Amino acid sequence: QKEVEQNSGPLSVPEGAIASLNCTYSDRGSQSFFWYRQYSGKSPELIMSIYSNGDKEDGRFTAQLNKASQYVSLLIRDSQPSDSATYLCAVRRDSNYQLIWGAGTKLIIKP
Amino acid sequence: SQTIHQWPATLVQPVGSPLSLECTVEGTSNPNLYWYRQAAGRGLQLLFYSVGIGQISSEVPQNLSASRPQDRQFILSSKKLLLSDSGFYLCASRVDNYGYTFGSGTRLTVV
Repeated sequence: QKEVEQNSGPLSVPEGAIASLNCTYSDRGSQSFFWYRQYSGKSPELIMSIYSNGDKEDGRFTAQLNKASQYVSLLIRDSQPSDSATYLCAVRRDSNYQLIWGAGTKLIIKP
Repeated sequence: SQTIHQWPATLVQPVGSPLSLECTVEGTSNPNLYWYRQAAGRGLQLLFYSVGIGQISSEVPQNLSASRPQDRQFILSSKKLLLSDSGFYLCASRVDNYGYTFGSGTRLTVV
């Protein structure tokens, strides 16, 4: 079992709809979670971090964390074509603060 | 805020040639530094990380090496490149308890 798992996609969502990206992790003791966006040919950029159970909202983005079920998700409201990218989930290993990465989900927003 | 400089942006090298990629960090001190490789359409593979000058940990056995001669300088090297060394090389920095910040990356093609 991989430490961090994501559906590789592609996930196709119509413009204006809600895109839902999911990530599960195996280390029940993990406390810090991150979502990165990576455009094709570019480096990853941090878009959201979440540390507590529940929802965290930032503009059109909402991160959701459920530690009991060991999953973290990212919702993108009012999806735009510019949101088309690969979204990487990362979980911090608290023993050495290293990030453990999922393989990423490719999101395609169709106009 | 910190900025990570990586160069060159693209590189085409013949098999068997040496490699040197440099990463420098501005705007912070004593960062944890990381070298990642990303094959086309794949996730991030951690190659090396460093918690301080002269301190290098290797995650994957290979023909690459890393050095950290100064606090904010991280170098990735190879004496003889293989075809399998092709990929997108990313330097990342972590300060405090936040996620990583990435440089713009170097796309290496070994021919």
